[in-house]
Amino acid sequence: AQSVSQHNHHVILSEAASLELGCNYSYGGTVNLFWYVQYPGQHLQLLLKYFSGDPLVKGIKGFEAEFIKSKFSFNLRKPSVQWSDTAEYFCAVRGYNKLIFGAGTRLAVHP
Amino acid sequence: DVKVTQSSRYLVKRTGEKVFLECVQDMDHENMFWYRQDPGLGLRLIYFSYDVKMKEKGDIPEGYSVSREKKERFSLILESASTNQTSMYLCASSSPYPGQGYHEQYFGPGTRLTVT
Repeated sequence: AQSVSQHNHHVILSEAASLELGCNYSYGGTVNLFWYVQYPGQHLQLLLKYFSGDPLVKGIKGFEAEFIKSKFSFNLRKPSVQWSDTAEYFCAVRGYNKLIFGAGTRLAVHP
Repeated sequence: DVKVTQSSRYLVKRTGEKVFLECVQDMDHENMFWYRQDPGLGLRLIYFSYDVKMKEKGDIPEGYSVSREKKERFSLILESASTNQTSMYLCASSSPYPGQGYHEQYFGPGTRLTVT
């Protein structure tokens, strides 16, 4: 069965630090990958997605992710985080007509 | 903008009550989903529907049922609520077609259900 693993459940950073959140998936075929974010009290919203082409994908708010097929990974990065990036981040892979989500990573950014 | 709305933000019910959670989307999406979100467990799929009157079980369907009589509306039913169903319930919709988001899911604001 397909699955998604997010390595860190909680991450604490200071403003201006660099961020990398790990995501690994298990699926051998063509993959479609997503990162969603949930800011406190808000809807889940899409940060970025990968379907094909350039494995480095840029999303909203300065986030990017790199698809590395050989490592089954789709890690999320941001060079310099802000306090407003405090949120929960979810990685997902598309299954048959549905998305399979990881357990999420809670990011807290301190000023 | 895609809008997915859910009937209640907060709901408190008693054990044994029948509970209805309603979800409506305005983008003519074929696919609709119900998840529950619990700390440390991420989003777990309860049921999804890829067409009117069609439904498929997700990962945790026990204790739940669903109804999709119209394309825009997807209801989650707790036949007899129990305390272990206290959770945040999220509805989402998506289109299976390239050019229409291709499985990108749009989420509602969630319903926080407390069963006492």
